[in-house]
Amino acid sequence: QQQVKQSPQSLIVQKGGISIINCAYENTAFDYFPWYQQFPGKGPALLIAIRPDVSEKKEGRFTISFNKSAKQFSLHIMDSQPGDSATYFCAALNTGTASKLTFGTGTRLQVTL
Amino acid sequence: NAGVMQNPRHLVRRRGQEARLRCSPMKGHSHVYWYRQLPEEGLKFMVYLQKENIIDESGMPKERFSAEFPKEGPSILRIQQVVRGDSAAYFCASSPSAGASNEKLFFGSGTQLSVL
Repeated sequence: QQQVKQSPQSLIVQKGGISIINCAYENTAFDYFPWYQQFPGKGPALLIAIRPDVSEKKEGRFTISFNKSAKQFSLHIMDSQPGDSATYFCAALNTGTASKLTFGTGTRLQVTL
Repeated sequence: NAGVMQNPRHLVRRRGQEARLRCSPMKGHSHVYWYRQLPEEGLKFMVYLQKENIIDESGMPKERFSAEFPKEGPSILRIQQVVRGDSAAYFCASSPSAGASNEKLFFGSGTQLSVL
């Protein structure tokens, strides 16, 4: 059972454009939703995270939009740069009871010049 | 200020051999998590350990896999009698011992296991 569904699988965006990655979850007990960035040969690194008590969180060029009723959240990368080319994973966690993050399947982003 | 250290970075084993993967958490971290990543897939949780205790092993296969985090030394993920299906990248993550330890994980660079 895939509890966090992520799309698209891959994405090509021109430099300066907006990259949008979407995730949907099933378990309503999830209450923490981070995004991780992974470069080839490296481990994932926390990029930005949101809790369901807010609908949006922005950090620099990265924004998470959260829709609790639809059980969906998305990552927006504004003014995308070639250095943003990486694989992005959404994840979800029930901070009250579960010890493990549930990850989406990842989106490979390529930002072209 | 070393991060999470994993070794070896690459490990090649023949079918039937044992694989030992090591993870040294960040300084001051006493919570360790192991994840497995297959090509084109996300990370799958395997096990969560604190010093000398296995807290959650719900993601570990019932046979051939074991993990430990001793009082002294690194955490070890051990795979006995490896099969080709064990080929994957194995990531270790650690979190601080205080506060909401689940929420901020620091990942190592992983061990790529290849089974011939």
